[in-house]
Amino acid sequence: EPEVTQTPSHQVTQMGQEVILRCVPISNHLYFYWYRQILGQKVEFLVSFYNNEISEKSEIFDDQFSVERPDGSNFTLKIRSTKLEDSAMYFCASSPSGSTDTQYFGPGTRLTVL
Amino acid sequence: SQQGEEDPQALSIQEGENATMNCSYKTSINNLQWYRQNSGRGLVHLILIRSNEREKHSGRLRVTLDTSKKSSSLLITASRAADTASYFCATSPSGSARQLTFGSGTQLTVLP
Repeated sequence: EPEVTQTPSHQVTQMGQEVILRCVPISNHLYFYWYRQILGQKVEFLVSFYNNEISEKSEIFDDQFSVERPDGSNFTLKIRSTKLEDSAMYFCASSPSGSTDTQYFGPGTRLTVL
Repeated sequence: SQQGEEDPQALSIQEGENATMNCSYKTSINNLQWYRQNSGRGLVHLILIRSNEREKHSGRLRVTLDTSKKSSSLLITASRAADTASYFCATSPSGSARQLTFGSGTQLTVLP
């Protein structure tokens, strides 16, 4: 069964460094998402992406964040200058189409900012 | 309270018993989805119910949706120790927006 994959599973970085989190969505899906979950808190929406552009973003997704689909398979989240409060589990998700479709989540990347 | 709030926050039952978790939300929705998360792991999709549906079944799972009360319930029948996990409801708002809003989750513990 196709699934969303994410790399790395755990990323440790120093405050102020740039990180890129990678995701491979399910191959025939058209919508891609990033969410994050700070330890012990709710899963929070960051951004959705469709047709090579951002379709929605939350207030969390400020200028420090960017997303890209550099080729036909990868979907990346870049944090330009990491802060301590960026430490969280980051989940990528994809859905076939539309707002009525199931979003399938990857296993997550645990980002630790020191 | 916020969109997608589950109760109870924690539930502990014996294997073989049924577990019921509830979710309330505030705004109009397109659909409501239930996810499971094992400790420190990813989110596994369980079931999606659309706003025009009232009940849905999948294996040992039964989900109901009452849009007039803005609430949903997830019933797991004949629970197993392997069902131990956190369960979240997530709502997709009406209109073209696709972002999911998650609740705080119910931590279910099934004792063998």
